[in-house]
Amino acid sequence: QVQLQQSGPGLVKPSQTLSLTCAISGDSVSSNNAAWNWIRQSPSRGLEWLGRTYYRSKWSNDYAVSVKSRITINPDTSKNQFSLQLNSVTPEDTAVYYCARVRGWGHYGMDVWGQGTTVTVSS
Amino acid sequence: DVVLTQSPLSLPVTLGQPASISCRSSQSLVHSDGNTYLNWFQQRPGQSPRRLIYKVSNRDSGVPDRFSGSGSGTDFTLKISRVEAEDVGVYYCMQGTHWPPTFGGGTKVEIK
Repeated sequence: QVQLQQSGPGLVKPSQTLSLTCAISGDSVSSNNAAWNWIRQSPSRGLEWLGRTYYRSKWSNDYAVSVKSRITINPDTSKNQFSLQLNSVTPEDTAVYYCARVRGWGHYGMDVWGQGTTVTVSS
Repeated sequence: DVVLTQSPLSLPVTLGQPASISCRSSQSLVHSDGNTYLNWFQQRPGQSPRRLIYKVSNRDSGVPDRFSGSGSGTDFTLKISRVEAEDVGVYYCMQGTHWPPTFGGGTKVEIK
């Protein structure tokens, strides 16, 4: 059974960097048949896909246009996990952040989700 | 990006009665490979979203058969044949046909 366990701070100051980690059990971050995603949820923006990392002979990333200049998603094969970094945060980045797996190229949506991390951006 | 519009926003239902949620897309969700990648998620209060249905009408493992999905092109429907108390929550459609993946705004199902 695949499980995703999120960790990271729940409070980030404006202009600083939001950092979250998602530890994978039951699957591999290096799987050739999965992609590892970050999604956030807020009352104003609903569910918003942020980006993904995946391995298909080499590592690749895709990011949402809305955060592309500020986001980095990195795999960590030694710990079988992946991370999210979002720079220069503002109160608009306050949301519940989820990590999630998709199989294949993601057409079928996210079949495994992390427990969610509530992140508040405030001084 | 593809916009998915769900209706209604809120759906009060009597236990044991049917419920129906609509999801309309701003463009056809038929992929160049011939498949239609419209998926449905359930989010119970305080929980992460859970996929119920993928590719319009395929139920995930463990999903009760009272849930069914249908539709084509730009119009899709999630039906619950007989609502049970555990079905309370918010339901989202999500498309995987066009890049990037996008979600509908959600429909809140509650018991009358």
